[in-house]
Amino acid sequence: QTVVTQEPSLSVSPGGTVTLTCALSSDSVSATYYPSWYQRAPGQAPRRLIYRTNIRASGVTDRFTGSILGDKAALTITGAQEDDESDYYCALHMGPDLWLFGGGTKLTVL
Amino acid sequence: DVQLVESGGGFLKPAESLRLSCAASGFTFSNVWLTWVRQAPGKRLEWVARIKNKAEGGTTNYAAPVKGRFIVSRDDSKNMLYLEMNSLRSEDTAVYYCATGGGYDALAAWGQGTMVTVS
Repeated sequence: QTVVTQEPSLSVSPGGTVTLTCALSSDSVSATYYPSWYQRAPGQAPRRLIYRTNIRASGVTDRFTGSILGDKAALTITGAQEDDESDYYCALHMGPDLWLFGGGTKLTVL
Repeated sequence: DVQLVESGGGFLKPAESLRLSCAASGFTFSNVWLTWVRQAPGKRLEWVARIKNKAEGGTTNYAAPVKGRFIVSRDDSKNMLYLEMNSLRSEDTAVYYCATGGGYDALAAWGQGTMVTVS
């Protein structure tokens, strides 16, 4: 069974930079998987941050950058702020209309 | 502003049925694809079903665990999305989210979710 893997938790200092990754058990992640990233703050609906690997959704600050790093999709957050503390999920397009989600990364800013 | 509000969740017994609704506003509903995603307690998000806009055929697609039991539909005149869930199982227990999109641009906007418990 194909699984999408993310770091369960990461921490970053205020003002620092952190990179979250998204790996696929069965293959290298490339743009053909249309990686997307979502932020979910406690009690909030998920919010799309990045789609098609590196396109920022409307209203998303340029502190969030999507990319492919090696064989994984990556989300880099620069100039981390307290309100970046959230759960972050990646999703990969696995075929006609099937999206597979990662298990999420809990980001702590401290 | 785009707004999606799910409703209809509840507590049910196995084999029962339930219909979830998703009320949409703030965008041209008839133009978009719509998707249901769920998250069971302690589990990851799971894509459930998708319906295209009518201009692209209004076709539906389902995840394997729900195929044959769930039906996604839309009423463009009311800006409403539905998920009819039949033959419910304990493993269907989850928070169900509706979202816009589902194609290569992924899921643009999400609702807050509605909880379904099957026990």
